[in-house]
Amino acid sequence: SYELTQPPSVSVSPGQSATVSCSGDALGNKYVSWYQQRAGQSPQLMIYQNRKRPSGVPDRFSGSNSGNTATLTISVTQAMDEADYYCQAWDSSFWVFGGGTRLTVL
Amino acid sequence: QVQLQESGPGLVKPSETLSLTCNVSGASLSSGGYYWSWIRQPPGKGLEWIGYIHDSGNTNDSPSLERRVTISVDASKKQFFLNLKSVTAADTAVYYCARGSGYKYGYVFDFWGQGVLVTVSS
Repeated sequence: SYELTQPPSVSVSPGQSATVSCSGDALGNKYVSWYQQRAGQSPQLMIYQNRKRPSGVPDRFSGSNSGNTATLTISVTQAMDEADYYCQAWDSSFWVFGGGTRLTVL
Repeated sequence: QVQLQESGPGLVKPSETLSLTCNVSGASLSSGGYYWSWIRQPPGKGLEWIGYIHDSGNTNDSPSLERRVTISVDASKKQFFLNLKSVTAADTAVYYCARGSGYKYGYVFDFWGQGVLVTVSS
């Protein structure tokens, strides 16, 4: 079965840029989505089709996908961005999530 | 605006069947090409896709759940359902229902319910 791998944790200082990676075999050939999950809340879609942002998502959030790695970038990180982030892809009629990355804003 | 809301028992005994309902508003369950899905999250762990029912009636579920999953729909009531049989403590999780959008949007879950905690314990 297809697998997506994320680092368990990433730390960033307020105002700095944070990157969260997601790796999988030939992932660049698939569409990747990213979800933010704050403590005690449901996941919220932040990026779809690798780099598109739903209405209402700040343009501080951006995505890319090439080769075996997709990346979520948060520029000018704010305290409110502290959350778990999950990547997700679709493979052969199955939906797959990465294990999640906890972003800590120090 | 599409809204989803899960409901069902919060406690299920081992070996029994977990049954949940997702009530949907703001969307049709019989058109649009959507994948009405269930996703779960064990306490302190990540998201796990369980399965979907497409508005064509096709279903699919995760191989990791070893064919214990049944997903069905009552479009007239705007509800879809999850049955997970032969549960164990490992099935304890927050269960979410969500709408999946297909190829046009890159197979993404664009709307989610609030989630319901189901504990498997005797």
